[in-house]
Amino acid sequence: DVKVTQSSRYLVKRTGEKVFLECVQDMDHENMFWYRQDPGLGLRLIYFSYDVKMKEKGDIPEGYSVSREKKERFSLILESASTNQTSMYLCASTRGGAASNQPQHFGDGTRLSIL
Amino acid sequence: LAKTTQPISMDSYEGQEVNITCSHNNIATNDYITWYQQFPSQGPRFIIQGYKTKVTNEVASLFIPADRKSSTLSLPRVSLSDTAVYYCLVGDNSGTYKYIFGTGTRLKVLA
Repeated sequence: DVKVTQSSRYLVKRTGEKVFLECVQDMDHENMFWYRQDPGLGLRLIYFSYDVKMKEKGDIPEGYSVSREKKERFSLILESASTNQTSMYLCASTRGGAASNQPQHFGDGTRLSIL
Repeated sequence: LAKTTQPISMDSYEGQEVNITCSHNNIATNDYITWYQQFPSQGPRFIIQGYKTKVTNEVASLFIPADRKSSTLSLPRVSLSDTAVYYCLVGDNSGTYKYIFGTGTRLKVLA
C-alpha cells in the first residue's frame, strides 16, 4: 500500500514566521500535490510537482512556495505566515503519466494554526 | 477545466442504498471520473474510478451515462461507518496535472 506521510498532524506558528510542511511518499510516485482544505471550500490545489525540481502553480499559490529536491519528498513553505493561512494542509501523490486516471494517495493532513 | 457539482449533504438510514450524483458538464474526452471518501481528520481515500458505463468494486458502483456529463456513486446497504464526505473528481488531461475537487457531499447515515 502507498504511504504518504506528513511530518506533523498539528502545528502552531506565529504570524511572520517561515513555516515548512514536509511530505514523504514511499512508492516512487512522480507526481506530488499540496492542497489546503477549508470549511465550505473543499480542497484547493496550491502547488504540484511532476518531477524532481519541477513545480507548477495550482489555483491558490499566493503566499506559498514549494521544494522538491528528491523524488519522495515535497515540501510546502509559507514564506511569512499569516492568519489567513490557518487551515488543514493535505499532501497527495500519484504515479506519472496522464493525471486524470491516476488515483491520488493522500496523507492524513497537517492542521496548521497561525496565531 | 471541468468543474463538478454535487449536493451539499444527504441523510440516509442504515441498510439503505445511497446514490450521490455529480454533474460535470464540461468533462473532457480523456478525463476519468474518480470518487473519494473523507472521514474527519483524515485525508481523502480513493473509492472508485471510471470512464464510461458502469464500474463496480467491493465498496461501490459508479454509473456513467453515455454523454458522461454526470455520474452517480452508489453505496449499497450503508452503515454508520459510511458517514463521511464524498468527493467527485474529474481531472484535466489537457496537458496539465490539475484535478478539480468540488466541495463534496456530506453523507450522514442514521441508525
